[in-house]
Amino acid sequence: DAKTTQPNSMESNEEEPVHLPCNHSTISGTDYIHWYRQLPSQGPEYVIHGLTSNVNNRMASLAIAEDRKSSTLILHRATLRDAAVYYCILRDVILGRDDKIIFGKGTRLHILP
Amino acid sequence: GAGVSQSPSNKVTEKGKDVELRCDPISGHTALYWYRQSLGQGLEFLIYFQGNSAPDKSGLPSDRFSAERTGGSVSTLTIQRTQQEDSAVYLCASSLDRGSVYEQYFGPGTRLTVT
Repeated sequence: DAKTTQPNSMESNEEEPVHLPCNHSTISGTDYIHWYRQLPSQGPEYVIHGLTSNVNNRMASLAIAEDRKSSTLILHRATLRDAAVYYCILRDVILGRDDKIIFGKGTRLHILP
Repeated sequence: GAGVSQSPSNKVTEKGKDVELRCDPISGHTALYWYRQSLGQGLEFLIYFQGNSAPDKSGLPSDRFSAERTGGSVSTLTIQRTQQEDSAVYLCASSLDRGSVYEQYFGPGTRLTVT
């Protein structure tokens, strides 16, 4: 997997938007950008993924830079339940290359009430 | 529907004993993964099963670790002669099929403590 770089931790106020950055300067053309999060004492859960275009789902939005060397996960209105470790992961779409997930350290997001 | 389940949720064992951890994947999911997370550490891949193919064992830390998947469904991770460094949360995940286009669904994990 190409390496991703994320801040160790971030803080945000409840009910405000949160922008979680991820740098992946060595991304290859067949790498998808995936985000998972891990709530306290739980297994990770899928959040969103994308290739080139920005993506939206019920949980979050993913903004991808035009050169694809960075991306931002956007939580539009953070709640206390969004406090978690957020992992930005590159996974090659070519079958067999990245079937397993290689997790980095992620960003620990603290939500202040 | 039912998610991935794991049992036991907690296991305390003495050093040198063998342990078995069980994973029930989501019905119909052909790919099954084991990861572990040590205290303060990140998630580490252990082993992966896909259908009837030979498992990818590249993440197993030593030959004391083994896993099987019977009938393409339930999986058991076995750790022989446990050591204190084996203490961790062992997580199982399943996905509809192999490949990065399929999201992985994780279970709640089994917390293993070796005393």
